[in-house]
Amino acid sequence: AQSVAQPEDQVNVAEGNPLTVKCTYSVSGNPYLFWYVQYPNRGLQFLLKYITGDNLVKGSYGFEAEFNKSQTSFHLKKPSALVSDSALYFCAVRDIEDSNYQLIWGAGTKLIIKP
Amino acid sequence: DAGVIQSPRHEVTEMGQEVTLRCKPISGHNSLFWYRQTMMRGLELLIYFNNNVPIDDSGMPEDRFSAKMPNASFSTLKIQPSEPRDSAVYFCASSLWSGSTDTQYFGPGTRLTVL
Repeated sequence: AQSVAQPEDQVNVAEGNPLTVKCTYSVSGNPYLFWYVQYPNRGLQFLLKYITGDNLVKGSYGFEAEFNKSQTSFHLKKPSALVSDSALYFCAVRDIEDSNYQLIWGAGTKLIIKP
Repeated sequence: DAGVIQSPRHEVTEMGQEVTLRCKPISGHNSLFWYRQTMMRGLELLIYFNNNVPIDDSGMPEDRFSAKMPNASFSTLKIQPSEPRDSAVYFCASSLWSGSTDTQYFGPGTRLTVL
């Protein structure tokens, strides 16, 4: 069965420091992986996705994520955090072999950037 | 592009009343998803459509919930009768399914409160 885990409910980072939001996944085949961000009282916004190719994916707002097949991880990173990055972050996965359109969503990680 | 449009943005109703949520997907997209978000259960997929046809409604909580997509530019999610436990934020998302992968784009959501 497909699954996604975001092991941290909340991550606290000081402004200017690097940030990492963790995501691990489980699929029977190869994965498509996504990161979304949700600001308060807003819908989810697409940040980036991994389909194939380079393991380092760059996305919106200076975020990037590294696909690690051996560790089945897709951690979201940013070199220097901004207070405006404070939001809820969701990781999602789909098995390439699965014709089902559904994404499997993580529970979300609340990112708090302190000035 | 206007993005995914949802209406109303906020709905307050009394238990037992019928509630209809509306969604206009991004023009040209062929897949549409209805999600529910609560603090307790996180983000849940209720139902999704491809080319206006419901593909999987296994996430619909019970018979009180129904969804339709009469054409490519409009979908409704109806709750009849509504109950307090239906209080949540309901999101609509759309995507262009190309046979390999897609990216879902979310609307701003409808915050439903059932008293």
